Amino acid sequence: SAVISQKPSRDICQRGTSLTIQCQVDSQVTMMFWYRQQPGQSLTLIATANQGSEATYESGFVIDKFPISRPNLTFSTLTVSNMSPEDSSIYLCSAAGANEKLFFGSGTQLSVL
Amino acid sequence: SQQGEEDPQALSIQEGENATMNCSYKTSINNLQWYRQNSGRGLVHLILIRSNEREKHSGRLRVTLDTSKKSSSLLITASRAADTASYFCATGNSGAGSYQLTFGKGTKLSVIP
Repeated sequence: SAVISQKPSRDICQRGTSLTIQCQVDSQVTMMFWYRQQPGQSLTLIATANQGSEATYESGFVIDKFPISRPNLTFSTLTVSNMSPEDSSIYLCSAAGANEKLFFGSGTQLSVL
Repeated sequence: SQQGEEDPQALSIQEGENATMNCSYKTSINNLQWYRQNSGRGLVHLILIRSNEREKHSGRLRVTLDTSKKSSSLLITASRAADTASYFCATGNSGAGSYQLTFGKGTKLSVIP
């Protein structure tokens, strides 16, 4: 299993600013994922982050809005750019473990005023 | 697009009772997984069942899968207050990447001591 440290755990931001969320895994993992979860809702995949290549974004998410870095096999960041109140959500990073299981960080609760 | 739909949306039971949650999905799957999310936390993997399996056990958890009906159920026996959480099913879809999971909206379980 993998232990994932995600920070910040929560933040309150002003409209128009950007926030970078960091995710550190305690072991090397090939694939990492970033999800968004709105209150009481399902998880929506934002993008897949592989080391050494550009992130792959899902429909409705673009690199300019959600730039992702994956500098090595244990770390990734997601930036939420030019924020608006509609970006208020929980953002979750996850890593692919053995046998198609996912391990998750504890999430970042973002509120945009 | 959303794949899994959990039912019920919310469930409240007394400690010691069994809790059953259902998940329906629409397309062919490779596997179906159940995750638990405690309030304000990340998701924790509980159990994975493959499309060629019909039933799987793990401790107090029992999962069934009926691919003809495109449905799965999660049974938690002898529930405890610590089982209070949201439970999500996630499908690994045929033809998608191994770790591309589609999550349902979840069932919020409350276990009353």
